[in-house]
Amino acid sequence: QSALTQPRSVSGSPGQSVTISCTGTSSDVGGYNYVSWYQQHPGKAPKLMIYDVTKRPSGVPDRFSDSKSGNTASLTISGLQAEDEADYYCCSYAGSYTWVFGGGTKLTVL
Amino acid sequence: EVQLVESGGGLVQVGGSLRLSCAASGFTFSDYWMHWVRQPPGKGLLWVARLTSDGSSTSYADSVKGRFTISRDNAKNTLYLQMNSLRTEDTAVYYCVRDDRYIPSVWGQGTMVTVSP
Repeated sequence: QSALTQPRSVSGSPGQSVTISCTGTSSDVGGYNYVSWYQQHPGKAPKLMIYDVTKRPSGVPDRFSDSKSGNTASLTISGLQAEDEADYYCCSYAGSYTWVFGGGTKLTVL
Repeated sequence: EVQLVESGGGLVQVGGSLRLSCAASGFTFSDYWMHWVRQPPGKGLLWVARLTSDGSSTSYADSVKGRFTISRDNAKNTLYLQMNSLRTEDTAVYYCVRDDRYIPSVWGQGTMVTVSP
């Protein structure tokens, strides 16, 4: 499968909000309600931040939210903090028990 | 604490083989489907393979089909990835990932595989 499409980079100042988009097709993002988002700091493993539209694992602040419309999912981070600076990846179930990931977005907190 | 710990990575020449292991703890390993996901240096995440909880069914990315084999030993709480006929493009950090109803929920710390020409 082709990777989901994410912007290469986004940026925002502390306290602001940023949104990262993730565009796929009707065979992945648009076809299933199994989209998840990951935060990855340099040299670290990806960390699950949000899934199934607004479900957050324990410990993930509610500043992180997501949505989906058609073939596009979006992650919004409000009240940006310095520690939010990282790479972010979306992931979707793509049928036949496979996953497809986005190319990643580098978030810079100015 | 739920934990996945990969091992077995290293440097291997083109055409060589390597077996990765992933030791699971803190949860009932035999209840979960498991996957391998890789990340080439400086690049994004790529799904590699998936295995059902009882080890009876597998899926593979086209790029590794016929060369890689995913397996598990539920008695040892361990997931494996046998990698044969390695290519330079297989160079990556390999992550072991737990599947929670089609969501990659728990990730190991990763193990680096480098394939030299």
